Amino acid sequence: AQSVTQLGSHVSVSEGALVLLRCNYSSSVPPYLFWYVQYPNQGLQLLLKYTTGATLVKGINGFEAEFKKSETSFHLTKPSAHMSDAAEYFCAVSEGQAGTALIFGKGTTLSVSS
Amino acid sequence: EAGVAQSPRYKIIEKRQSVAFWCNPISGHATLYWYQQILGQGPKLLIQFQNNGVVDDSQLPKDRFSAERLKGVDSTLKIQPAKLEDSAVYLCASSLGSTEQYFGPGTRLTVT
Repeated sequence: AQSVTQLGSHVSVSEGALVLLRCNYSSSVPPYLFWYVQYPNQGLQLLLKYTTGATLVKGINGFEAEFKKSETSFHLTKPSAHMSDAAEYFCAVSEGQAGTALIFGKGTTLSVSS
Repeated sequence: EAGVAQSPRYKIIEKRQSVAFWCNPISGHATLYWYQQILGQGPKLLIQFQNNGVVDDSQLPKDRFSAERLKGVDSTLKIQPAKLEDSAVYLCASSLGSTEQYFGPGTRLTVT
């Protein structure tokens, strides 16, 4: 069965600092991997996704993530945090087929201080 | 294009009452999902439709939850009777059959 583990339920950084949100997955088939962001009282917005091909994927708002099969990881990074990045971030995995439902991690709340 | 629409946005009911949520997916999206997001957790799939047929409802508590998608467009999720542990945000998502799912704003249900 597939699963997702997000290390750290809460991450705090200063504005301008590196953002690193960790995600490890378990899957018996080649996975599709996703990062979503959720702002208060809003739905989920896709930041980036990995399906096949290049293992370093770039997303919106300056975020990127690297798929490392040997480490079963898909960590999310951003070189310089902005105040507007404060939100909840979810890592998700699917079975690698189009239309398959997502399995989410528990989420990481990112706080950004000035 | 218009996004996924959901209503109501907020609902407060007492336990043992019934409640229904509505979702209108993005036009042309054949696949529709309902997820339950309990506070402090990630969303969990309740049911997935392909057009008006059910693909996966293995995690839907069928003794109290029901869902339908008439004519392969709009969908309704119902809870009857509600329990305290049903307090959550109910998210609807749709996709065109690609890997990307588009989420609505959700309905926040509070059961007292």
